Amino acid sequence: EAGVVQSPRYKIIEKKQPVAFWCNPISGHNTLYWYRQNLGQGPELLIRYENEEAVDDSQLPKDRFSAERLKGVDSTLKIQPAELGDSAVYLCASSSGGRYYNEQFFGPGTRLTVL
Amino acid sequence: SQKIEQNSEALNIQEGKTATLTCNYTNYSPAYLQWYRQDPGRGPVFLLLIRENEKEKRKERLKVTFDTTLKQSLFHITASQPADSATYLCALDEGSSNTGKLIFGQGTTLQVKP
Repeated sequence: EAGVVQSPRYKIIEKKQPVAFWCNPISGHNTLYWYRQNLGQGPELLIRYENEEAVDDSQLPKDRFSAERLKGVDSTLKIQPAELGDSAVYLCASSSGGRYYNEQFFGPGTRLTVL
Repeated sequence: SQKIEQNSEALNIQEGKTATLTCNYTNYSPAYLQWYRQDPGRGPVFLLLIRENEKEKRKERLKVTFDTTLKQSLFHITASQPADSATYLCALDEGSSNTGKLIFGQGTTLQVKP
């Protein structure tokens, strides 16, 4: 069974430029998460989807971040414009069933460097 | 809001010994608590889940305990091996009932020396 796929693995951009990350979750997983992980810290949730619906985006900086999950499968996270403080690893995760005891499966992440 | 504290200092132990990692939380007891392993350059990998009504859970060389009185979980790796070297993350539900939203500790790095 294929795991969570993310691309690109690495991205270096200059500040004020746009950037997008793509995620393909495990087949059949209805719940998809985007996390941001700063160096030496644990992942922090940005947004959670149940199928196509964003059920928790309270920690997504909506002035510059946007996300979509069309058709309830793949998802894209976008930053426009990027700031220096956005440098981090962006992780996508998926889980199979609702919100109970949700073992999450993570992708390898995209390491973003903003210069 | 709920906060999680894990030892920020790396834990260095000798191969064959038992590693014990600590996870403390500050507020209400969560419905469950999870432990993940993260290797450099990779995403976290789920290891174990323990529910609030469980005191202990085992999986091969791993053991997790959950003490709601102390607001603490301990994660043990027995007969540790160099391949166990990684960062271990504690995670729990943000709410006292299932919200489905996990919050993570900052992780503790374990180094097992041969």
